[in-house]
Amino acid sequence: AQSVTQLDSQVPVFEEAPVELRCNYSSSVSVYLFWYVQYPNQGLQLLLKYLSGSTLVKGINGFEAEFNKSQTSFHLRKPSVHISDTAEYFCAVSGSGGSYIPTFGRGTSLIVHP
Amino acid sequence: DTAVSQTPKYLVTQMGNDKSIKCEQNLGHDTMYWYKQDSKKFLKIMFSYNNKELIINETVPNRFSPKSPDKAHLNLHINSLELGDSAVYFCASSQGGGGEQYFGPGTRLTVT
Repeated sequence: AQSVTQLDSQVPVFEEAPVELRCNYSSSVSVYLFWYVQYPNQGLQLLLKYLSGSTLVKGINGFEAEFNKSQTSFHLRKPSVHISDTAEYFCAVSGSGGSYIPTFGRGTSLIVHP
Repeated sequence: DTAVSQTPKYLVTQMGNDKSIKCEQNLGHDTMYWYKQDSKKFLKIMFSYNNKELIINETVPNRFSPKSPDKAHLNLHINSLELGDSAVYFCASSQGGGGEQYFGPGTRLTVT
């Protein structure tokens, strides 16, 4: 079984400030990790993914995330946010060894203030 | 071209009715999914099909029945709609299980 915990349900920040959205997971097998973004009234789209290799993963729109196996974390960061980054962000995990039932976190609402 | 499309985008209906939501993907993926997103944005997987075969069937009422006529389509039929079925339903696809998923725009279902 696997689970995902997004520690913050809402993160308010000011424009041009840095932001970190936290994600912890648990799994008994090796995992693939993902961050998705959902803009208002839209479907989810992939921001970035970790499958293997380098633990620092760069995604679209200036976001990056770091896979930390010892802390079972996959936190999402951006050094300077824009108003347009206001959205819901979902962390997701699936097993890399064939158990691919995807599990999503409950989401973090990023609210960027001018 | 839209990668994953759903119809209709909005669906308003009364309790007790039967309705269907259609999903099509043109990405050549072999796995498709249905998710339900509630008013608190919680995303719950309902079904997954791999090459037209049901792989995941989470705990959902049997009033919900998925149908996959081919690898590119996964439709969701709902019988005897209830107020609690009101939600946004997302279709998604991926190549193999476990990979990144591509989501449709969602169908907002409102049951009155």
